[in-house]
Amino acid sequence: QSVLTQPPSVSAAPGQKVTISCSGSRSNIGSNYVSWYQQLPGTAPKLLIYDNNKRPSGIPDRFSGSKSGTSATLGITGLQTGDEADYYCGTWDSSLSAVIFGGGTKLTVL
Amino acid sequence: EVQLVESGGDLVQPGGSLRLSCAASGFTFSDYEMNWVRQAPGKGLEWVSYISSSATSIYYPDSVRGRFTISRDNAKNSLYLQMNSLRAEDTAVYFCARLGVSGSYYFDYWGQGTQVTVSS
Repeated sequence: QSVLTQPPSVSAAPGQKVTISCSGSRSNIGSNYVSWYQQLPGTAPKLLIYDNNKRPSGIPDRFSGSKSGTSATLGITGLQTGDEADYYCGTWDSSLSAVIFGGGTKLTVL
Repeated sequence: EVQLVESGGDLVQPGGSLRLSCAASGFTFSDYEMNWVRQAPGKGLEWVSYISSSATSIYYPDSVRGRFTISRDNAKNSLYLQMNSLRAEDTAVYFCARLGVSGSYYFDYWGQGTQVTVSS
């Protein structure tokens, strides 16, 4: 059971928008920055969002991040079939003194 | 281009040991904090260890503390993970990952991973 809670799966049609939630507590999301990763099948994770809402160079602005209180959200607009992947949120937990991840959300583009 | 290439994964018996390596290139390795993150089959990501750029600070989660040892050789641009007293639950793909520079805990580059299987 992960400390950060994500929905196991989400789905939407090509061209549509989807959001993925990540719920935590005061000791993790509530007091630290959140990052998001995309893991395509059989590959290593790739950084999508860091510091809650910043995109690394090369990540399209279709991907966005936000945080409010003890929850964070990843948004993806203009969905493409190539966006089908597992998505993970991550942050530092000040009580555990550890980096923690959500359990992952599988995105299906119908 | 930043590259991280892991090696050393293998099939090992419970109670055995294994040493993983990660060769870094395309950036000044000695300037960056590094980590190991693992992923059990069909499961999510689990952070395994952290080492500061000069190796003066090292952290582990409870699940591996006392069994795993992270180290680095900045002269060789290499990161290591010594794993002892291995258990079946340590079976996973192990990724080395570079810590981002903004000051918060995120991983901006990952290697392709190396498979560790603990089984008799």
